[in-house]
Amino acid sequence: GENVEQHPSTLSVQEGDSAVIKCTYSDSASNYFPWYKQELGKRPQLIIDIRSNVGEKKDQRIAVTLNKTAKHFSLHITETQPEDSAVYFCAAFSTNTGNQFYFGTGTSLTVIP
Amino acid sequence: NAGVTQTPKFRILKIGQSMTLQCAQDMNHNYMYWYRQDPGMGLKLIYYSVGAGITDKGEVPNGYNVSRSTTEDFPLRLELAAPSQTSVYFCASSYSLSPGQGYNEQFFGPGTRLTVL
Repeated sequence: GENVEQHPSTLSVQEGDSAVIKCTYSDSASNYFPWYKQELGKRPQLIIDIRSNVGEKKDQRIAVTLNKTAKHFSLHITETQPEDSAVYFCAAFSTNTGNQFYFGTGTSLTVIP
Repeated sequence: NAGVTQTPKFRILKIGQSMTLQCAQDMNHNYMYWYRQDPGMGLKLIYYSVGAGITDKGEVPNGYNVSRSTTEDFPLRLELAAPSQTSVYFCASSYSLSPGQGYNEQFFGPGTRLTVL
């Protein structure tokens, strides 16, 4: 099946700086890559996603880039704010072993005021 | 519109006991999923369903069973609970899984925190 690796596991940035989280995947058939934000004790919520026919997508301070050749995708958060502090998960959707989402192990982001 | 709901919120089980985690959605989504989330880890898929009467195994199905008799409900059954099943369980739903066919967003329920002692 698909294997998704996510780095770093923890990330601390000063407020206003940028944060970058990277994920790699193994299955070339994966074609949809969502990013989720999970605040402590809460449910994961989708913040941005990208499909395999697109190289980059932006939504205000958040952007995702995808390199299909290298099988990696990244989340970029600019002008970070304390409310961005949370755990972020990447995922890859693969049809090779059934219609399944495979999740990374998460990045705990702390934005220091 | 309640979205995805789960009950109970918390539960403590003894080893060998059984229980059913309830999940319901009111968005008329055809796809539903059960995940478990262990501390410091990502989400692992237990079972999923592409419609009423159809279920399939995910990455970690052992020790669990599901059924999908209606579009709205997708209960997860634990038989003979074991300490390894201590986790937070999330149910999720989505309208479509195919990027070319439209909306893929998974909506998650609030989770059930299960402890097996």
